[in-house]
Parts: sequence; C-alpha cells; structure tokens
Amino acid sequence: GAGVSQSPSNKVTEKGKDVELRCDPISGHTALYWYRQSLGQGLEFLIYFQGNSAPDKSGLPSDRFSAERTGGSVSTLTIQRTQQEDSAVYLCASSKQGGGTEAFFGQGTRLTVV
Amino acid sequence: QKEVEQNSGPLSVPEGAIASLNCTYSDRGSQSFFWYRQYSGKSPELIMSIYSNGDKEDGRFTAQLNKASQYVSLLIRDSQPSDSATYLCAVIATGTASKLTFGTGTRLQVTL
Repeated sequence: GAGVSQSPSNKVTEKGKDVELRCDPISGHTALYWYRQSLGQGLEFLIYFQGNSAPDKSGLPSDRFSAERTGGSVSTLTIQRTQQEDSAVYLCASSKQGGGTEAFFGQGTRLTVV
Repeated sequence: QKEVEQNSGPLSVPEGAIASLNCTYSDRGSQSFFWYRQYSGKSPELIMSIYSNGDKEDGRFTAQLNKASQYVSLLIRDSQPSDSATYLCAVIATGTASKLTFGTGTRLQVTL
C-alpha cells in the first residue's frame, strides 16, 4: 500500500478481554515501531522491530503486552486481559531502514476498554 | 536526563510571525534528526529531516542543527493558524540499533 495501514481504526473492548491490533507497514520498510499515546500525552515507545534482529521490547509496560512481526512485514500487537488504563491510541510507524531514514505513521487504533 | 527534551508550551505566536521551536538531545553521537507535526486527534506527520550541521529550508520551514551544542530547532516563517499543532522532535541516537526516540512535543498556537 501507499502508507502504513492499521486496523481496526477503533476498538471497544470489555475489561479482561484480549485484543489484537494490526499494522501493515510500507512495502520494503524493514523497521517497525509501536507507540502508545494517551489523551493529551506524548508518544510512549512500546516496541521496535529492525529487520531480522531481536526486537527492542524495552517499552512494553507489562507482560500483558506482546508483539510479533511475521515475515518481516505485518505486525500484531496483542494486549491480554485488558485494563481501563490500556485505553489509548496505538500508533505504528515504519521506516525504510533503521538508520537515518524517515519513519511514517499509520492513522492509529483507538482502543477503549470499558 | 531525558534523551530528547522539548518545552511543552504552549508557544503562542501571532499570525505572520516566526515561530521558533527548540529541542535538545543527550547523545552527542546522534546522527539523524526529525520534526513531526501532530494535529489534535491525528497521527504524527513528518515535516522535516536534517542530518548535518547548519540549516535546511523547505518552504516556510527551516530546520537548524547544531551538533556541538546538541540542539535542533524548527523555524516556521509567516505562521498561519493552520500551523497550530504539537511539534515533535525525534532523534536516532547511536548505539540504539537506529531506534527513533521522541521528545514530548511543543504545542504551538498561532493567534489571529
């Protein structure tokens, strides 16, 4: 596709349920990021994939959060046993290579846990 | 010390004035620097990238990089109300496997 695609755009889930958020990066982009943004707050780094290297998971807030990237392309962020504090916009970005090139964001997934 | 620091603002400038947004970073070896604009309720949009010392101009936007002083700035000339947004500075630091690190952003308000 022309840009980074995220789905769904909006997700409402009940507390305690698991959710999966999908990110389809720009074709050929080897680096992929996940960020979280709560209302009125800055970007919170979650996880970074770069090619075949082990992902940088240092930003994942708890073991309820996990992410995978299959075949170096599509990525899925999974949140288990969702809590109300997980409500936020989850943003995905990709870049052509890890060093020196620009990253482009998808439109985000707004997650609401009720 | 945060890796990338920005004043949260809001920075208020009148229409037609120059808006100056600043960012400092902690890793002296950083090589890549970016400015993103984020409108309320939207995702960040890349507006400028700069990799070497000096100025880089693109339309009404000028990015300035000073590696010796470890700061990068964004100037917006002839500010318009449509420039009102949060501006995010991002840096790729050395030794981070090229990971992009963002500042918390500066909110700019352009007043009529």
